[in-house]
Amino acid sequence: DTAVSQTPKYLVTQMGNDKSIKCEQNLGHDTMYWYKQDSKKFLKIMFSYNNKELIINETVPNRFSPKSPDKAHLNLHINSLELGDSAVYFCASSPLQVGTEAFFGQGTRLTVV
Amino acid sequence: RKEVEQDPGPFNVPEGATVAFNCTYSNSASQSFFWYRQDCRKEPKLLMSVYSSGNEDGRFTAQLNRASQYISLLIRDSKLSDSATYLCVVTPNYGGATNKLIFGTGTLLAVQP
Repeated sequence: DTAVSQTPKYLVTQMGNDKSIKCEQNLGHDTMYWYKQDSKKFLKIMFSYNNKELIINETVPNRFSPKSPDKAHLNLHINSLELGDSAVYFCASSPLQVGTEAFFGQGTRLTVV
Repeated sequence: RKEVEQDPGPFNVPEGATVAFNCTYSNSASQSFFWYRQDCRKEPKLLMSVYSSGNEDGRFTAQLNRASQYISLLIRDSKLSDSATYLCVVTPNYGGATNKLIFGTGTLLAVQP
């Protein structure tokens, strides 16, 4: 009964490959996010979705394409992976209301070799 | 300049010590303020919200100074289990469109026995 679950937990892949990370939340939240945590541990928002609608795209390369089939799911597809894409990717969800708590998935540790 | 700035530390303190973390934010229209905690190789989790009047939760006290755009966290009687990275988090004003969180770089706390 994990609140926000993402798969896989670890992903090792070669440069140039295409990969996807899946995320699901069972909290009934309207808003879902993807965050990237780089090697310096800095957490930066990539995308924000409200009820399947893209709200925020933080100048992420268009090799990254989020998809939200319904408000409980937000997947991240990455084309033509590069070494610099290596990071931990966190999915999160929250109510739409500002000031409410965001819940994070356990993270996907992506290593591009 | 980053939107949310923190001293990265590390702060190495003995058990029982009192330690304070500071954070500044650049957007004066920011609406909500939080401290999140992230354990090593885990996801961030909400520690506490921060209110203008200041608020306390057990050994933890948070303060907000809107005029100076400054947030603080005080931990009293430090425990070994307090060792983690403490993330200062701010929600900008998006007119209600989203509950986007902006993270500071985090401050690493190591409590020594």
